[in-house]
Amino acid sequence: NAGVTQTPKFQVLKTGQSMTLQCAQDMNHNSMYWYRQDPGMGLRLIYYSASEGTTDKGEVPNGYNVSRLNKREFSLRLESAAPSQTSVYFCASSDTGRAWDEQFFGPGTRLTVL
Amino acid sequence: RKEVEQDPGPFNVPEGATVAFNCTYSNSASQSFFWYRQDCRKEPKLLMSVYSSGNEDGRFTAQLNRASQYISLLIRDSKLSDSATYLCVVNMGSNTGKLIFGQGTTLQVKP
Repeated sequence: NAGVTQTPKFQVLKTGQSMTLQCAQDMNHNSMYWYRQDPGMGLRLIYYSASEGTTDKGEVPNGYNVSRLNKREFSLRLESAAPSQTSVYFCASSDTGRAWDEQFFGPGTRLTVL
Repeated sequence: RKEVEQDPGPFNVPEGATVAFNCTYSNSASQSFFWYRQDCRKEPKLLMSVYSSGNEDGRFTAQLNRASQYISLLIRDSKLSDSATYLCVVNMGSNTGKLIFGQGTTLQVKP
């Protein structure tokens, strides 16, 4: 099993460009999450999907959109990138989305917006 | 005030030392508590869940004090391989998997 995979691993954008970060899991998990990690800030939840067909905002959703394409895939879109969106983005998944579930993380996408 | 607060360190300790990390959280409705480990430029991985009764996994012991909203992690007989950042994590309340992460405490174990 590959677990949680993310593409691309690295990306450099110019201000105003758009891009989609891809995430897929092969563990048949119901819930998926997008986080960003900035120095000194810890991971912050951007959006999550409790189950296929549902999405909800996390702590820092502004400037992002998500799509739960099917049970396996959960994408994150930046419509008009800003330098403040320079960060490391992690996708995660968990079995049921309940409180005590372990979350499994992908290797991350390192995004720089110039 | 941050919702989950940790001393960022770094903690520099010799091999074989015992080291303790502490964490406080502000949401009294939080129901689940964890320590995740993150190696440099890697993804976080679950180290252990933290239960009200306290729990131990080999050299690692975690404690939870709900009244004080305080979580701790004790590492005994530190190994070089324990060098990493330790993330204190709580859920946002109710039975949700939406998590809040502390900024992490960095541990460097030296020979």
